[in-house]
Amino acid sequence: EVQLVESGGGLVQPGGSLKLSCAASGFPFSGSTMHWVRQASGKGLEWVGRIRIKASSYATVYAASMKGRFTISRDDSRNTAYLQMNSLKTEDTAVYYCTCGSGSDQGAAFDIWGQGTMVTVSS
Amino acid sequence: DIVMTQSPDSLAVSLGERATINCKSSQNVLYSSNNKNYLAWYQQKPGQPPKLLIYWASTRESGVSDRFSGSGSGTDFTLTISSLQAEDVAVYYCHQYYTTPRSFGQGTKLEIK
Repeated sequence: EVQLVESGGGLVQPGGSLKLSCAASGFPFSGSTMHWVRQASGKGLEWVGRIRIKASSYATVYAASMKGRFTISRDDSRNTAYLQMNSLKTEDTAVYYCTCGSGSDQGAAFDIWGQGTMVTVSS
Repeated sequence: DIVMTQSPDSLAVSLGERATINCKSSQNVLYSSNNKNYLAWYQQKPGQPPKLLIYWASTRESGVSDRFSGSGSGTDFTLTISSLQAEDVAVYYCHQYYTTPRSFGQGTKLEIK
């Protein structure tokens, strides 16, 4: 079965850190650029960033508001992508989705989405 | 960065009627070397992740009802639902995958009139 499963969400205090995981199965993970997208409650979709495949040097790009605080990585041996979030702010509270165009390095719509993991930043 | 703007923000349509959602990109998303528009449409129902409906602006994803169609090129795009069904109530998003940072429209909430 083709799927992405996120984990690692939870409640964290402002200024804290959290690391999300995204486990993939059923499609060529190592050949797929992985993206993270978030959605605050009642709001629209916001792209967080992406990590390309090994052949593209695992290049990462981030949305401006997250650059320097968030880091995306991947472990192709575990078919897992990660989102390390540091210096969290209350406005980072959202459902975080991992997504990809299966088997595509770049230039693909997102045909696979995880169910999302909730991150709440609050004191 | 490419800004995606959808219209309207919300839409109420009677069952069996046509629904039309527009999306405008601030820059061209047509790649001249392959003549493809890097524009997708997603449907999101409450409590669910988005679901890909249309890619390359007009190609329907496998398994998606043929009531859904996409059109447009360059900077102006349209999602049309030919005959609205109750299960089509959702929020619809356009998305450009022409360049990073990727960007989405703000969403259009579709309801039954």
